[in-house]
Amino acid sequence: AQTVTQSQPEMSVQEAETVTLSCTYDTSESDYYLFWYKQPPSRQMILVIRQEAYKQQNATENRFSVNFQKAAKSFSLKISDSQLGDAAMYFCAYRRTQGGSEKLVFGKGTKLTVNP
Amino acid sequence: GAGVSQSPRYKVAKRGQDVALRCDPISGHVSLFWYQQALGQGPEFLTYFQNEAQLDKSGLPSDRFFAERPEGSVSTLKIQRTQQEDSAVYLCASSAPGYREPKGSPLHFGNGTRLTVT
Repeated sequence: AQTVTQSQPEMSVQEAETVTLSCTYDTSESDYYLFWYKQPPSRQMILVIRQEAYKQQNATENRFSVNFQKAAKSFSLKISDSQLGDAAMYFCAYRRTQGGSEKLVFGKGTKLTVNP
Repeated sequence: GAGVSQSPRYKVAKRGQDVALRCDPISGHVSLFWYQQALGQGPEFLTYFQNEAQLDKSGLPSDRFFAERPEGSVSTLKIQRTQQEDSAVYLCASSAPGYREPKGSPLHFGNGTRLTVT
């Protein structure tokens, strides 16, 4: 079974600085999707960024980018120019592409605090 | 357009009561998912529907948990004889798989129902 590990329960960053959140995963498959979701106190999970495993180019979405290392099974999220509104729980998630269920498998999350 | 809507937002039940949690997915979304999120944890998969068919229920923790989506739109998660360990946030999500990359379609989540069993 696939597992997703987020080794940093909490992280903090100063406003306008850069922070990197770590994620590793375990799979025997060659193609899959990886996602980062943000969950503010409102509880709604919001998609931040996604990456398909066969695409070597790292995904970027404005201030958010990933460092995808397929061989190392690592998928870290970099937030540049951090803003107060970035404070939230961040979850890394995995989804297989071939057969089986459509489900996402989530990590336990990293709580990000942004200090003014 | 409206997002995924869940009701109620909060539910308090006494141990042993039955509860029903409702999810209205985004109109036209084929796939619907239920997740359970304990305090301070990541969401744990419960079950998945494609239209009205329940294709994966491997995450349901016991036979007290039951989900349905009879007409392929609204879904209900029912928990019978609730226990304290059922206290959690229950998240519903829907997605509309694209023809070219169905597994890449993001899940759109509701705000969840916080269930507290006393």
